[in-house]
Amino acid sequence: ETGVTQTPRHLVMGMTNKKSLKCEQHLGHNAMYWYKQSAKKPLELMFVYSLEERVENNSVPSRFSPECPNSSHLFLHLHTLQPEDSALYLCASSQESATYTDTQYFGPGTRLTVL
Amino acid sequence: GDSVTQMEGPVTLSEEAFLTINCTYTATGYPSLFWYVQYPGEGLQLLLKATKADDKGSNKGFEATYRKETTSFHLEKGSVQVSDSAVYFCALFSGGYQKVTFGTGTKLQVIP
Repeated sequence: ETGVTQTPRHLVMGMTNKKSLKCEQHLGHNAMYWYKQSAKKPLELMFVYSLEERVENNSVPSRFSPECPNSSHLFLHLHTLQPEDSALYLCASSQESATYTDTQYFGPGTRLTVL
Repeated sequence: GDSVTQMEGPVTLSEEAFLTINCTYTATGYPSLFWYVQYPGEGLQLLLKATKADDKGSNKGFEATYRKETTSFHLEKGSVQVSDSAVYFCALFSGGYQKVTFGTGTKLQVIP
C-alpha cells in the first residue's frame, strides 16, 4: 500500500471509552502530524513528531495522547472524550529538515463521533 | 502571527465556467504556498504549490501564482467539470514544521 493510511475510517465511542487511531506512512518521511478538522473551522494542528520525537503540542487536552513508536507509525490514544471532540482526525507526513517544511501528504482521515 | 484568508463558500458554477477562489495571507519571512483539495469522504490531497514569489503552481488545469506584492495565491481554472466539486484549502508553510497555517476551506459545487 502506498501513501498515508489511517484506521479505522469511522469510529463511534462513548465518553467513558478508550480507543486508538492508527496512522501509517509508506513514503519514507521523517515527520508525522495529527490534525483535527471540525465543520466551519480551520484545520487545527494537534501534534507534530519529527524523527519519532514530539516537537509540537498545540495546547491539546490531555484526553488526547499521541504515540510515535517509529517513523512510519503514529497513534492517537483517546480516553474520556467529550461530544465536542467529534470531528475528522487527519494524519499527515512530510520530509523535514532543520529549517524547511516540505509538502505534507494526508491520509483519508478517521471520522470520530463521541456520544 | 501567520494567517490565511479564503473567500467564503459555497461557490456554485455551471460546467465549463471559469473558476477563481481567492486566497490572501499574512506571514513572517518567505512562506511556501499550497492549495489542497478534499473530495467528499477523503483526506486532503495536494493540488499545487509555489515556493517563492512569482512562481506559478499548476496541476489538472488549475493554476495559482505566488504574488508577494499583494500577498495572494488565488486559485484559477479555465473550465470546471462536475468532478472538480470538492472543498479547496489554501495553506502556507513557513519556518519549519510548526509553522503550518490552513484557511477555512471553500466548497465548490459544479452543476451540469
